[in-house]
Amino acid sequence: DQQVKQNSPSLSVQEGRISILNCDYTNSMFDYFLWYKKYPAEGPTFLISISSIKDKNEDGRFTVFLNKSAKHLSLHIVPSQPGDSAVYFCAASAPDKLVFGAGTILRVKS
Amino acid sequence: GAGVSQSPRYKVAKRGQDVALRCDPISGHVSLFWYQQALGQGPEFLTYFQNEAQLDKSGLPSDRFFAERPEGSVSTLKIQRTQQEDSAVYLCASSLALRLAGGRYEQFFGPGTRLTVL
Repeated sequence: DQQVKQNSPSLSVQEGRISILNCDYTNSMFDYFLWYKKYPAEGPTFLISISSIKDKNEDGRFTVFLNKSAKHLSLHIVPSQPGDSAVYFCAASAPDKLVFGAGTILRVKS
Repeated sequence: GAGVSQSPRYKVAKRGQDVALRCDPISGHVSLFWYQQALGQGPEFLTYFQNEAQLDKSGLPSDRFFAERPEGSVSTLKIQRTQQEDSAVYLCASSLALRLAGGRYEQFFGPGTRLTVL
C-alpha cells in the first residue's frame, strides 16, 4: 500500500519554462513533507520542505504547494534549467522516518 | 569528510553469502537511518537509531537483516544468507537530532551501497 504516490514517472520540460511535479498521499497523519533531488550514483539531497500548517513555501526558483484537503502537493521549478535534470522524490514525515514516493525523472531540454 | 559516507559503494554477493554494509554519519549527528531502494522505486525505511539505541526496526524485511550502532556513531547493516530479492541500493542518512514538535531536522543521505546478489 503506497502511502506516497508520484504518478508521473517522467517529465520533459523546455529550459526556461515551468516544471511541475506532483505528489499524492493517503495518510492524514503526515505533518511534514519534503522534496529530495537525486543525481545518478549519488544519495538524495534535500531540496525544499513544507509543514502541514502551511500551504506554500518558496525558496528561490523552487516553490512547494500543499493542498491538505486533497492530500496533494506539488513542486514548481521556475525557470527550469538543464542542471535541474534529475530524479525528484516526494517524501512525508511519519513522524521521523521518511516515506518516499517512487520518484519522477525530470529532463530539462536546452 | 563533511558528508555521510558509505562503504563499500558496490557489493556483489553470491546467494547465501553474508554481507556487511557500513555507514559513517556526519560527526555529531544523533539520528541515523537506513533505507532500501529497489530499482525504479523510492527509498523505503528499514530502521533508525538515536545514538546507540535502535528505536525503530519495523522496516527490516526479515530476521536476516540486522543493524547496529554500538558507539552511537558508525553503523553497520548486516544481511545474512543473502537472497536475490535483497539486491538494491542501501542508503544511510543522518540528522542532527530527532525531530521535535513543530520543528524538523533534515536527513542527509550518503551515496548508498549498491548490492547485487547473484
